[in-house]
Amino acid sequence: DIQMTQSPSTLSASVGDRVTITCRASQSISSWLAWYQQKPGKAPKLLISKASTLESGVPSRFSGRGSGTEFTLTISSLQPDDFATYYCQQYNSYSPTFGQGTKVEIK
Amino acid sequence: EVQLVQSGAEVKKPGESLKISCKGSEYKFTSYWIGWVRQMPGKGLEWMGIIYPGDSDTRYSPSFQGQVTISADKSISTAYLQWSSLKASDTAIYYCARHYGYYESGAPRGYFDYWGQGTLVTVSS
Repeated sequence: DIQMTQSPSTLSASVGDRVTITCRASQSISSWLAWYQQKPGKAPKLLISKASTLESGVPSRFSGRGSGTEFTLTISSLQPDDFATYYCQQYNSYSPTFGQGTKVEIK
Repeated sequence: EVQLVQSGAEVKKPGESLKISCKGSEYKFTSYWIGWVRQMPGKGLEWMGIIYPGDSDTRYSPSFQGQVTISADKSISTAYLQWSSLKASDTAIYYCARHYGYYESGAPRGYFDYWGQGTLVTVSS
């Protein structure tokens, strides 16, 4: 299985901050990476596919970059609605895997 | 808008069987793979497997192969996840989600673009 490692596990930030979450793959996955946002008690929501393609309706303050083994999700100016847990998911292999999640907390 | 509506919460005893459901609407159910994701209490997401309702082709994560059965009834646009003998460690929220992606070497690769609301399964004696 391809292992996905996110860092940090928890991130404390304030409204208006620029935040970046990193996701590293144990082997190259080209650009086959998605990012999801999950709020407590809710289903995950797809934010980005193919490493950098923003889904329809997702605010432009979210952006994704990377290829190969290293990827980032950046929120350019953190809003109150963005406090949540974020997961990356690789879909390069026949058995997709998620990262362990990054919780974005209010500082 | 695409909708996936899951069956309600379940409380079961170890050893019992269970089948939970996920009904899709507002899209062509037989044209997209649909999958299941486990989230154990306070933990992350785990990809369990996917099924193509058009022909019931099913793919499992090695971690879940033999532990659960994924099926679908295309006549009622519904996918299922079932257990023959539950364990306490099956306690989790289970999400269904529509799979979107591409094929490589004849195998589906992709991510989940629409999700159900989740079904909480509690297994306790």
